[in-house]
Amino acid sequence: NAGVTQTPKFQVLKTGQSMTLQCAQDMNHEYMSWYRQDPGMGLRLIHYSVGAGITDQGEVPNGYNVSRSTTEDFPLRLLSAAPSQTSVYFCASSYGSREKLFFGSGTQLSVL
Amino acid sequence: DQQVKQNSPSLSVQEGRISILNCDYTNSMFDYFLWYKKYPAEGPTFLISISSIKDKNEDGRFTVFLNKSAKHLSLHIVPSQPGDSAVYFCAASGEWGSSNTGKLIFGQGTTLQVKP
Repeated sequence: NAGVTQTPKFQVLKTGQSMTLQCAQDMNHEYMSWYRQDPGMGLRLIHYSVGAGITDQGEVPNGYNVSRSTTEDFPLRLLSAAPSQTSVYFCASSYGSREKLFFGSGTQLSVL
Repeated sequence: DQQVKQNSPSLSVQEGRISILNCDYTNSMFDYFLWYKKYPAEGPTFLISISSIKDKNEDGRFTVFLNKSAKHLSLHIVPSQPGDSAVYFCAASGEWGSSNTGKLIFGQGTTLQVKP
C-alpha cells in the first residue's frame, strides 16, 4: 500500500523556470491538499480539492496552480519560480477535510 | 494573521515526565482540532483529534484537552519517551459554512526533545 506518493524528492530550479510537483494517492480519498513548510511558519495550506474537478485556494495560493482531473492525482504547478518559493512541499489526502490527513514524504525545492 | 498559534517553538523534558504542548486559536468557527507529529525528512502523521463538543480525548499516553472559552488546546504526553522527540503541530478545521470549510489550518509547530 503506497499511500501518498510525491515526486520528485528534491529539486533545484532557477528563477523563472516552471515545474510540476506530482502527487498521487491510492486510498481513493476525495480530499487532497498541498502545504508548504517554512521555518517558524509551520505548515501553510496552498490549495486543496474536495473531489475530482473541484479545487480551491488555501492560505498562500499565489504563484501556484492546481488541477484535479482524477481522484488519484493532484499536481502542483509553479509557473515562474521565485526564490520565495524555496520550501518543503507536502501533499496530503483524506476521506474529508475533517478526517485525518495522510501526508507524503515531501519535496524539498530550492529556487536560485 | 495566524489563526492557529503555537507560541513555544521548543520544549525539553526528561524521560518519564509529562510533556505539555500548547496551542491557541483565534477563529471561533473552528470546531475540530487535530495534533500531528513529524520526524525529520518525513511527512507529518496523525496523532489525536478532538471535536468541539468534547473537552478531552485520550488515546494511550496522549491526551488532548480543549478549552473553548479560552480558545486553547493542549496535548499531554505521559510518560514521555525519547521516541516522542519530534515536531508537533496542532491544526484546526472550520465548521461547515464557515470561511474555513474544507481547510485544515496548522500552527507553527513545537519541537519536543525528550532526554533519556
